[in-house]
Amino acid sequence: EAQVTQNPRYLITVTGKKLTVTCSQNMNHEYMSWYRQDPGLGLRQIYYSMNVEVTDKGDVPEGYKVSRKEKRNFPLILESPSPNQTSLYFCASSGEGGLGQPQHFGDGTRLSIL
Amino acid sequence: AQKVTQAQTEISVVEKEDVTLDCVYETRDTTYYLFWYKQPPSGELVFLIRRNSFDEQNEISGRYSWNFQKSTSSFNFTITASQVVDSAVYFCALRGRSSNTGKLIFGQGTTLQVKP
Repeated sequence: EAQVTQNPRYLITVTGKKLTVTCSQNMNHEYMSWYRQDPGLGLRQIYYSMNVEVTDKGDVPEGYKVSRKEKRNFPLILESPSPNQTSLYFCASSGEGGLGQPQHFGDGTRLSIL
Repeated sequence: AQKVTQAQTEISVVEKEDVTLDCVYETRDTTYYLFWYKQPPSGELVFLIRRNSFDEQNEISGRYSWNFQKSTSSFNFTITASQVVDSAVYFCALRGRSSNTGKLIFGQGTTLQVKP
């Protein structure tokens, strides 16, 4: 089954404790991206990757890091989480064929930073 | 600048009613792509449909239909004979050809509540 898998689905942690949210897709997609969803602010792009070893900042990259060492994986790293990073996070991927391909989203990761 | 506006914040209907969700977009790109996503109470984002800017054909999929009109920059979504399971937040999104980040520009979403 074609899917984007995020882990964990839920996490409550404390300020400053490094965490990684994993994202894996099994569709051989080149493009992957991270978004965060906040009430009143909608969905905003954090980072994206056009292919292996090619990553770049989105609209709200501060406080986050990513890596793309393999095509299927695109982890989101919070080196020193802070309460303003409490949010619902989505990983997405899309295939070749240009930017018109639909992005398929993972089920989301709800992070609470205390 | 690119923008998507979903003016309806919340809609409440009774089961079996038809409902239309409005989406108006702005872009300077001549080539662009429009999408609808559904976010049920469980939180995931589910892709529903994609439409290219050069394809104005309307589309029907079961109880769902989409009306794309370039002249009014609108891409509206109609659910016929709504069901309780249709209750969700629906997002319209845009991606312009000029975008070098590939990001989707989302509207604020319309919360649809279908009452039994």
